[in-house]
Amino acid sequence: DQQVKQNSPSLSVQEGRISILNCDYTNSMFDYFLWYKKYPAEGPTFLISISSIKDKNEDGRFTVFLNKSAKHLSLHIVPSQPGDSAVYFCAASEIGRGNEKLTFGTGTRLTIIP
Amino acid sequence: KAGVTQTPRYLIKTRGQQVTLSCSPISGHRSVSWYQQTPGQGLQFLFEYFSETQRNKGNFPGRFSGRQFSNSRSEMNVSTLELGDSALYLCASSPTSGNTDTQYFGPGTRLTVL
Repeated sequence: DQQVKQNSPSLSVQEGRISILNCDYTNSMFDYFLWYKKYPAEGPTFLISISSIKDKNEDGRFTVFLNKSAKHLSLHIVPSQPGDSAVYFCAASEIGRGNEKLTFGTGTRLTIIP
Repeated sequence: KAGVTQTPRYLIKTRGQQVTLSCSPISGHRSVSWYQQTPGQGLQFLFEYFSETQRNKGNFPGRFSGRQFSNSRSEMNVSTLELGDSALYLCASSPTSGNTDTQYFGPGTRLTVL
């Protein structure tokens, strides 16, 4: 049973436009959410996180939105750049539980078209 | 500062064999976590070692085991390999235990079981 779902395996966006990556979760105990970015032949790198006490967290071009009632989070990248082309994973955990409760989605491959 | 290194990068084994993968964390990092990445399941947490002790364990059979040495290097062993063990195995290091934000991933070992 996939507790964290990324229903779009791939997404293509024009350079300069907004990229929106979506993630849904089913476990109501999740209260901390992370996004990772992965380039081919490299490990995932931490991008941005948000705790359930907030509904938005911003870091430069990256903003994560959390809708707890809908159990939905999204990552917005504005403006999109060619270097943003990568696979993006969302992950969820319960604060204080550490890695054993870090549940990942299956990833969305983002392609930025020049 | 050198990143997380994993060896070997690619491995081909046959069913029933066993395999040992190695992970060298970033200097000064004492926590090493292992993940399995498959197309259908995303990243799944295997276990975490901190100061040579297994701190957390995911939902994997006992064929998957690991250990950590005094220099924080870690090895993961899979015995009696099955076709379904074919995956990318990622390790991640962190200065402390259970801190997901400060995990740094290695490039992974691609294991193919024939």
